[in-house]
Amino acid sequence: AQTVTQSQPEMSVQEAETVTLSCTYDTSENNYYLFWYKQPPSRQMILVIRQEAYKQQNATENRFSVNFQKAAKSFSLKISDSQLGDTAMYFCAFMKPTDRGSTLGRLYFGRGTQLTVWP
Amino acid sequence: DGGITQSPKYLFRKEGQNVTLSCEQNLNHDAMYWYRQDPGQGLRLIYYSQIVNDFQKGDIAEGYSVSREKKESFPLTVTSAQKNPTAFYLCASSRIVTENTEAFFGQGTRLTVV
Repeated sequence: AQTVTQSQPEMSVQEAETVTLSCTYDTSENNYYLFWYKQPPSRQMILVIRQEAYKQQNATENRFSVNFQKAAKSFSLKISDSQLGDTAMYFCAFMKPTDRGSTLGRLYFGRGTQLTVWP
Repeated sequence: DGGITQSPKYLFRKEGQNVTLSCEQNLNHDAMYWYRQDPGQGLRLIYYSQIVNDFQKGDIAEGYSVSREKKESFPLTVTSAQKNPTAFYLCASSRIVTENTEAFFGQGTRLTVV
């Protein structure tokens, strides 16, 4: 079974500062995908960033970057130059390919980290 | 615009009643999913479907039922057998591809038992 653990229920950061959210996962799979989703107060789930396990290079999307440590099964999210609009619940999620090698969007989620950005 | 539409946004149910949550997508995605979100629990998978007329139980299927008669639609029925149905329900869809798939989510339905 796949499990995803987010050990920080809440975090806060001042505007323009940098914050790192932690995520660890447990799997016996070698090929898989990892995601960070953002859920603002509107409750719409928004994809922030994606990482393929077979890629050694860490994914980046503008102010968002990840530190993917496959051996340690760690997948942290770094938010640089934090903005008030980054205030949201952040979920780490895991996806594995099907037995036939195709990917199915079935996600395993952590319990989330509530991030508050204050002025 | 392509996307996933869930309705209603808020739903109230009396004890002992069945209710059906609607989920429609126009993204031409093969796979659709229902997740339940409770405070402090993250999202848990209820049911998913990879193809029309076929679906599989997720981690918390008891007390729920689904159908997939059309590719675009994946309604969820919360039955009276579900002991604690008050929650936020999210529908999602995705392609089935060899790599780089992504799940797209609807805006959710908040179900409250009164």
